[in-house]
Amino acid sequence: GAGVSQSPSNKVTEKGKDVELRCDPISGHTALYWYRQSLGQGLEFLIYFQGNSAPDKSGLPSDRFSAERTGGSVSTLTIQRTQQEDSAVYLCASSPRQGNSPLHFGNGTRLTVT
Amino acid sequence: AQSVTQLDSHVSVSEGTPVLLRCNYSSSYSPSLFWYVQHPNKGLQLLLKYTSAATLVKGINGFEAEFKKSETSFHLTKPSAHMSDAAEYFCVVRLTQGGSEKLVFGKGTKLTVNP
Repeated sequence: GAGVSQSPSNKVTEKGKDVELRCDPISGHTALYWYRQSLGQGLEFLIYFQGNSAPDKSGLPSDRFSAERTGGSVSTLTIQRTQQEDSAVYLCASSPRQGNSPLHFGNGTRLTVT
Repeated sequence: AQSVTQLDSHVSVSEGTPVLLRCNYSSSYSPSLFWYVQHPNKGLQLLLKYTSAATLVKGINGFEAEFKKSETSFHLTKPSAHMSDAAEYFCVVRLTQGGSEKLVFGKGTKLTVNP
């Protein structure tokens, strides 16, 4: 497809379990971002990948959160020992390069921790 | 630090009337500013962006925004609302720092369009 693809679209998990969220960016986009959207909280930056540079992890809320980007393309966001406050929509976005290129967002993964 | 403040969490207008969604930014230098729209159960879509080329920026679906440095504002407007404009709108500033960059989002304004 031509857009950013995220899977799964919905995920329900029990508190304490680990989850993996996947993002397929637009082909050729070197920059990839993860954001979290909680009800009434707007979008919260989590992590940023740019090419082969070290990622900016400054937005990850705790050490239970981690992300990888393999081969400069697909990214996986992992949440270990999920908590109820992790429930949110996790959005992935990509862009061709730094500068003023707009971000292209996926439709997100809605995570519900019960 | 750069940030954006959306002054209204909810705006309600009648179809055919003007739309005004307010956004103020704080930045120590000329910022890159964006408006994104999110329709229910849809992904975020870029409406328009300001990158210092022109202070009045035209976007998709008849929306436009004017950058006013003296007022540190970047309000989004549309002359005549359509039912399909009902969505959540986010004002965004690009933050570049130490080789990294991120978009900082406002908390959003939910636009309701009444028939």
